[in-house]
Amino acid sequence: AQTVTQSQPEMSVQEAETVTLSCTYDTSESDYYLFWYKQPPSRQMILVIRQEAYKQQNATENRFSVNFQKAAKSFSLKISDSQLGDAAMYFCAYLGFGNEKLTFGTGTRLTIIP
Amino acid sequence: DVKVTQSSRYLVKRTGEKVFLECVQDMDHENMFWYRQDPGLGLRLIYFSYDVKMKEKGDIPEGYSVSREKKERFSLILESASTNQTSMYLCASSLVVQPQHFGDGTRLSIL
Repeated sequence: AQTVTQSQPEMSVQEAETVTLSCTYDTSESDYYLFWYKQPPSRQMILVIRQEAYKQQNATENRFSVNFQKAAKSFSLKISDSQLGDAAMYFCAYLGFGNEKLTFGTGTRLTIIP
Repeated sequence: DVKVTQSSRYLVKRTGEKVFLECVQDMDHENMFWYRQDPGLGLRLIYFSYDVKMKEKGDIPEGYSVSREKKERFSLILESASTNQTSMYLCASSLVVQPQHFGDGTRLSIL
């Protein structure tokens, strides 16, 4: 069974600085997808970024980028120029190819310090 | 934009009651999911459905059942609510092998 580990329950960063959230996963599959979701206090889970395992290039969405290390089974999220609106719980998630069920990590609560 | 609507944002019920949580999506998605979210445990899948009248158990189905009579609607049923089912419940939907879209969640308290 796949597992997803987020080893940082809480992190904080100064506004406008850069922060990196860690995620590792365990799988025997070669094709899969990885996601970062954000859950602000409003509670709705919002997709931040996705990465297909067959792509070597790291995904980027504006201030959000990932460092995908397939051999190390690592998938970290970098947030540049942190803003107050980035404060949220961040969940890393794994989706096996041909599977429909996401496996989530336990989340990292990110606080932005003004 | 995809809209996933959960019928209640907050719900308070008593132990032993039969509880229905409703979820509706407006994007003709094949897949629908029910999760519960607890602090320190992340999201855990209760049930998922890949088509009308089709369902599959997730990681923690005990004490729950589901119903999907129409493609857009997926209901979670607590047959006899217990205090350990107090939690945040999240519904999601997706196309096949695509990211899931989530509702706003229902915070359920069982007294």
